[in-house]
Amino acid sequence: GDSVTQMEGPVTLSEEAFLTINCTYTATGYPSLFWYVQYPGEGLQLLLKATKADDKGSNKGFEATYRKETTSFHLEKGSVQVSDSAVYFCALVGGGADGLTFGKGTHLIIQP
Amino acid sequence: GAGVSQTPSNKVTEKGKYVELRCDPISGHTALYWYRQSLGQGPEFLIYFQGTGAADDSGLPNDRFFAVRPEGSVSTLKIQRTERGDSAVYLCASSMGHGPKTGELFFGEGSRLTVL
Repeated sequence: GDSVTQMEGPVTLSEEAFLTINCTYTATGYPSLFWYVQYPGEGLQLLLKATKADDKGSNKGFEATYRKETTSFHLEKGSVQVSDSAVYFCALVGGGADGLTFGKGTHLIIQP
Repeated sequence: GAGVSQTPSNKVTEKGKYVELRCDPISGHTALYWYRQSLGQGPEFLIYFQGTGAADDSGLPNDRFFAVRPEGSVSTLKIQRTERGDSAVYLCASSMGHGPKTGELFFGEGSRLTVL
């Protein structure tokens, strides 16, 4: 079945550092890929998405590129802020499926 | 309210009891989803409604779990004969689209279920 693997956390960085959170996937067909974020005390929110190979999703300074050849969708941000502290989930939905398949989540902590 | 509302936010029950969890989606959203998130795991898909009908219930773990959406708005997730392994956060999401590819999912804050 479909699966998503993302780097274990917590990831602790200083403010203004460069961020990468790795995500790789296994899926049949051509899945759509997503990053969701959960801020403390809030529900999951869609951060960005990409629906086909080589697409780049971007939002709030975060970017991720759909790499079919490496089955990856790594999340990056050039300069993180304390307000980016949250749990980040990589997810996919395969062709014909109705449910998202999530990774286990990566807890990001940004220190001032 | 403007977002997806879930009640109760916390529920503690004893093994073997019956539990109902409620989800009030964003007004006008035709799609509604239930997910379950166990400790240290990502959300796991349970069921998807389009309108009043369950379009995909393939994620329900067994016949103790059942969900309804009789008027195409509020949904209730029902768990019979609860077991300690049912302890998790149950998430509800709603969307304008037909599946996650066509519409952004908006999640509630979840109902935390603890089975003693």
